[in-house]
Amino acid sequence: EVQLVESGGGLVQPGRSLRLSCAASGFTFDDYAMHWVRQAPGKGLEWVSGISWNSGSIGYADSVKGRFTISRDNAKNSLYLQMNSLRAEDTALYYCAKDKNGGFSEPFDYWGQGTLVTVSS
Amino acid sequence: EIVLTQSPGTLSLSPGERATLSCRASQSVSSSYLAWYQQKPGQAPRLLIYGASSRATGIPDRFSGSGSGTDFTLTISRLEPEDFAVYYCQQYGSSPGSTFGQGTKLEIK
Repeated sequence: EVQLVESGGGLVQPGRSLRLSCAASGFTFDDYAMHWVRQAPGKGLEWVSGISWNSGSIGYADSVKGRFTISRDNAKNSLYLQMNSLRAEDTALYYCAKDKNGGFSEPFDYWGQGTLVTVSS
Repeated sequence: EIVLTQSPGTLSLSPGERATLSCRASQSVSSSYLAWYQQKPGQAPRLLIYGASSRATGIPDRFSGSGSGTDFTLTISRLEPEDFAVYYCQQYGSSPGSTFGQGTKLEIK
């Protein structure tokens, strides 16, 4: 059974940093690209960042480029999101999601339950 | 960046009726890299349709997708009580990555 479990969320002051993690199991992690998607309270989905299976292709939404860094450790079956210079508008539930077929341009067939990030003073 | 616009914002229908949801892209979506997701309150999104018209594993055949280029449609042929939710379209074929539409809320009339 595929499982994606996010952690690392919490309350943080504007301008500070936070690192999210996603622990994956139930599939061959290093065969698939992975993504972070966020959802502000009561709002829609926003793709944040994606990383290919070997970290050779990485993309970011314009809203986080230069502040967030995605990475993965295939030996640990884990995905990460380093978030720096956090702003109030980064407040959201952050989901980890798996690519369906292993390419970078794929739909997301499995999602975690999310970890909540709240940016407030 | 490709912008996706979904309509209507809210759709009020009764169980048994047919639902038609629209997703329009600001530029052509390459190779029909268009997906649809369902999200219920307190849950993660669930993949319904990918490649514009292929159903994901375990998705009932009352869900169907169509379209190409810039205009795409999700159709639910006969609404079941569990189908009332928010639906999002997503394009996943452009650089730097995906974008989502703003969502359509399907509510019980």
